Amino acid sequence: GAVVSQHPSWVICKSGTSVKIECRSLDFQATTMFWYRQFPKQSLMLMATSNEGSKATYEQGVEKDKFLINHASLTLSTLTVTSAHPEDSSFYICSARDFSDSGRESGTDTQYFGPGTRLTVL
Amino acid sequence: AQSVAQPEDQVNVAEGNPLTVKCTYSVSGNPYLFWYVQYPNRGLQFLLKYITGDNLVKGSYGFEAEFNKSQTSFHLKKPSALVSDSALYFCAVRDEGAQKLVFGQGTRLTINP
Repeated sequence: GAVVSQHPSWVICKSGTSVKIECRSLDFQATTMFWYRQFPKQSLMLMATSNEGSKATYEQGVEKDKFLINHASLTLSTLTVTSAHPEDSSFYICSARDFSDSGRESGTDTQYFGPGTRLTVL
Repeated sequence: AQSVAQPEDQVNVAEGNPLTVKCTYSVSGNPYLFWYVQYPNRGLQFLLKYITGDNLVKGSYGFEAEFNKSQTSFHLKKPSALVSDSALYFCAVRDEGAQKLVFGQGTRLTINP
């Protein structure tokens, strides 16, 4: 199956600093990537949908100025947590849709996930 | 609106026994259904999906799932459980024409030796 990588796998930072997380599709092109947040023992919460070359679409309640998303190429999307605070500590997971397995408009394509990034803000 | 329910927070099965993890869904159009597995501190791994065709779908690691339209269910099954199957399992649905995948709350599967 398709492979999605994330970097870094974990990061510890001081309150007030910014942290950038990279998400890459390694063996396929992803025009659409997604960023999720997962709290302990909970399901995934979609934060935003990122389309290559355009602005991300944020879910209700997610601050777009705090969570900056850039999708500059077909294989790379980045999430920057700006002015991080302890409440931003979480597990962040990205995913990418591989349209090659079923076609872009069909909706039957599979979404592949990165291994996640554990962010701890002190 | 699309939604997914996994009615069991936790499922415990003895090694070698068959396992079932339940999932029901609600969509307005044709459902595209997925199962993912998550190991501790890891992302989600794709197991299998149902799009159309045969109601019984076979996936990775010996897992399979049965699509039941009348019961709006997509239960995950395996004939003989392994201790290594212990993990968190997520069912997800995407409505026809929708971009977003909606996840269930997850079911923690524990296989006892």
